[in-house]
Amino acid sequence: DIVMTQSPDSLAVSLGERATINCKSSQSVLYSSNNKNYLAWYQQKPGQPPKLLIYWASTRESGVPDRFSGSGSGTDFTLTISSLQAEDVAVYYCQQYYSIPPVTFGPGTKVDIK
Amino acid sequence: EVQLVQSGPEVKKPGESLKISCKGSGYSFTSYWIAWVRQMPGKGLEWMGIICPGDSDTRYSPSFQGQVTISADKSISTAYLQWSSLKASDTAMYYCARHKNYDILTPMDVWGKGTTVTVSS
Repeated sequence: DIVMTQSPDSLAVSLGERATINCKSSQSVLYSSNNKNYLAWYQQKPGQPPKLLIYWASTRESGVPDRFSGSGSGTDFTLTISSLQAEDVAVYYCQQYYSIPPVTFGPGTKVDIK
Repeated sequence: EVQLVQSGPEVKKPGESLKISCKGSGYSFTSYWIAWVRQMPGKGLEWMGIICPGDSDTRYSPSFQGQVTISADKSISTAYLQWSSLKASDTAMYYCARHKNYDILTPMDVWGKGTTVTVSS
């Protein structure tokens, strides 16, 4: 199985400031045949199901604000919230879908307001 | 509107059986893989397995193989997750989620609201 790790476990950021979450996979999730990274990011607010934010490492899902961006390739990825809003308080998970089964998720990063 | 509607909360005793459901609407149910994801209290997301409702092709995570059964009834656009003998450690929220298109190697773009399963004597 591909193991996903995230850092930090949690972070507190002031409103309007940048939040950065890192994700690392135990093996590359880049398919050389199509040059796509099989990596997604999800947001989960308390009491809600996860919501897809980013896929193919950097493609925003329809309706996701442009303050959310994804970057990286191979084994190292980053989710950036450029200007944190109160409604962004949530747990964020990275996920690989390069090798199924199983899909694997990172352990999550909790984002709070400082 | 594309949506997945899950069955209601369940409270069961250890050893009992259970089948929870996930009904899709607003799209071609047979054309998209449906996954089940477990979230234990206060914990992260664990992918359990996946089914293609069109032909019932099913894949399981090694962690859940033999522990649960995933099935689907395409005539009523519904996927199922079932246990033959529940354990207290099965207490969790269970989500169904649709993969983004007909390809299994895609993220999950539509999620049900979840079914809470509580197993306690």
